[in-house]
Amino acid sequence: GQNIDQPTEMTATEGAIVQINCTYQTSGFNGLFWYQQHAGEAPTFLSYNVLDGLEEKGRFSSFLSRSKGYSYLLLKELQMKDSASYLCAVKAGGSYIPTFGRGTSLIVHP
Amino acid sequence: NAGVMQNPRHLVRRRGQEARLRCSPMKGHSHVYWYRQLPEEGLKFMVYLQKENIIDESGMPKERFSAEFPKEGPSILRIQQVVRGDSAAYFCASSSTELETQYFGPGTRLLVL
Repeated sequence: GQNIDQPTEMTATEGAIVQINCTYQTSGFNGLFWYQQHAGEAPTFLSYNVLDGLEEKGRFSSFLSRSKGYSYLLLKELQMKDSASYLCAVKAGGSYIPTFGRGTSLIVHP
Repeated sequence: NAGVMQNPRHLVRRRGQEARLRCSPMKGHSHVYWYRQLPEEGLKFMVYLQKENIIDESGMPKERFSAEFPKEGPSILRIQQVVRGDSAAYFCASSSTELETQYFGPGTRLLVL
């Protein structure tokens, strides 16, 4: 099986930078996803990392280290609308199905 | 809007009734996945289907639950004789191939009274 860990909750200030970590233990790593989910809504795709390094996409960046089983999602210039749950998901073991972590609830306050 | 469509968005059933949840994948997508999400928990995989085939149903309970994706029409997740523990948000996702990113629908919130 796979074990995916993320902090349950984080708070940050509008305009600041926040880093949400995700660690995983798995065999046959095949890629890592980050999704954003606002309360009562569908998860929306943010990023996909399969190789080590940083992928930047506007205010959001995602980093992966396969040797450490570690990823983070970096959110810059935080806005109130960034308050949401951020889901880390890992594909591994030859499966096409990603396993999701419990999600990190981010609260952005003024 | 060519996104993943799900209906109904909210469904209320009494214990023992049947629930039918529908999912129309994004245009051009032939791979459909169903997930269940309980409050404060992560998305749990239930079943993966392609047109007319169930590829992986390892996450779906053996009893009362079934899924199909017919040649024509939406994918259906069917829950027979619902119990209170079935109350959850059920999300459908689709992808163009098994290797590509999954895109999620808005979900169906099932409440069993």
